[in-house]
Amino acid sequence: GDSVTQTEGQVTVSESKSLIINCTYSATSIGYPNLFWYVRYPGEGLQLLLKVITAGQKGSSRGFEATYNKEATSFHLQKASVQESDSAVYYCALRSTSGGNYKPTFGKGTSLVVHP
Amino acid sequence: GGIITQTPKFLIGQEGQKLTLKCQQNFNHDTMYWYRQDSGKGLRLIYYSITENDLQKGDLSEGYDASREKKSSFSLTVTSAQKNEMAVFLCASSMDNSGNTLYFGEGSRLIVV
Repeated sequence: GDSVTQTEGQVTVSESKSLIINCTYSATSIGYPNLFWYVRYPGEGLQLLLKVITAGQKGSSRGFEATYNKEATSFHLQKASVQESDSAVYYCALRSTSGGNYKPTFGKGTSLVVHP
Repeated sequence: GGIITQTPKFLIGQEGQKLTLKCQQNFNHDTMYWYRQDSGKGLRLIYYSITENDLQKGDLSEGYDASREKKSSFSLTVTSAQKNEMAVFLCASSMDNSGNTLYFGEGSRLIVV
């Protein structure tokens, strides 16, 4: 089946430093899946951060960026300068768009802690 | 916009008890999902439903039942609660069953005493 592997556990970064959370995927269906980053801020529900449905394209939101790299099967999340308010749990996810397997697949989540 | 409402926010029950979580959405979405969230294990799909009265098993369906009697609601029953089942349960919906975005509720925490 489909799978998503992302940076595990907790990542600690100082405010204003750069961030990368790695995500690689494996999709079994024909065609390229849609790729997502979801985020859960403290005290809030899980919500979409950004999504990219076309291979080779970049998505961005709230200063975060992720590029859909079909050759490397990667969708790493990056930010040039993090803020304390970015502290949250981030999930990489994919959804196939063909072949009948439309179950969303999530990574295990990465907890980001930004120190002032 | 729309909203997904999960009830109750905290569900406390005894070991062996049958416990039910409820979820309502007003997006008019076709597909609804129940996930279990455990620390360090991410989100694992328990059941999903692509339309009213449809049920599809996810990766973690054993020990759970689900019901989709109306398009707007999706309930999940833990058939016999166990202490190792304490987790946060997330309900979500999406426009259809293809590659669309999921919209999540705030979660229900199950506590087994």
